[in-house]
Amino acid sequence: DQQVKQNSPSLSVQEGRISILNCDYTNSMFDYFLWYKKYPAEGPTFLISISSIKDKNEDGRFTVFLNKSAKHLSLHIVPSQPGDSAVYFCAASGGNAGNMLTFGGGTRLMVKP
Amino acid sequence: EAGVVQSPRYKIIEKKQPVAFWCNPISGHNTLYWYRQNLGQGPELLIRYENEEAVDDSQLPKDRFSAERLKGVDSTLKIQPAELGDSAVYLCASSLVRGSFIETQYFGPGTRLLVL
Repeated sequence: DQQVKQNSPSLSVQEGRISILNCDYTNSMFDYFLWYKKYPAEGPTFLISISSIKDKNEDGRFTVFLNKSAKHLSLHIVPSQPGDSAVYFCAASGGNAGNMLTFGGGTRLMVKP
Repeated sequence: EAGVVQSPRYKIIEKKQPVAFWCNPISGHNTLYWYRQNLGQGPELLIRYENEEAVDDSQLPKDRFSAERLKGVDSTLKIQPAELGDSAVYLCASSLVRGSFIETQYFGPGTRLLVL
């Protein structure tokens, strides 16, 4: 039973355009959500997070949106750059899980020059 | 500031052999995590330590996996004996947990294990 799902295994966008990565969750007790970026042969690197008391958090080119009623979050990257090409994982924590992170399966983003 | 350090980076062993992974967390981080990441999937928690105490090991296959975190700093994860299905990337992460305030988890580069 996957509590955090990323339904798109891959996404390809043109440099300069917007990248939108999506994530759905089923556990209504989750109250903190994170996005991690992972390059090959490296560990995941924290990118941006959002608490359930907010519906948007922005950091430079990266914005995370949270829709609690739909149990959906998304990561927007504007403008996309070739260096953004990586695997992106969303993760959630909270409720009985405490600070244990539950990860989605990841989306591979390819930004073409 | 140094990040989470893991060794070895790669390990190839034959099935039924033992293997051990080592992790040094970020200085000052009291909480340490071991994750396993299978190909094409997200990391899955194996065990979580708060200082020296394993507070969540429900996902650790205890018949063959063991872990320790002596002195609340470095940690080792051991598999004995290894099986073909153990081939994966083993990630270590650390964070600072103070009461209800939880900082982000920071990951090491991982150990890629291949069991033949």
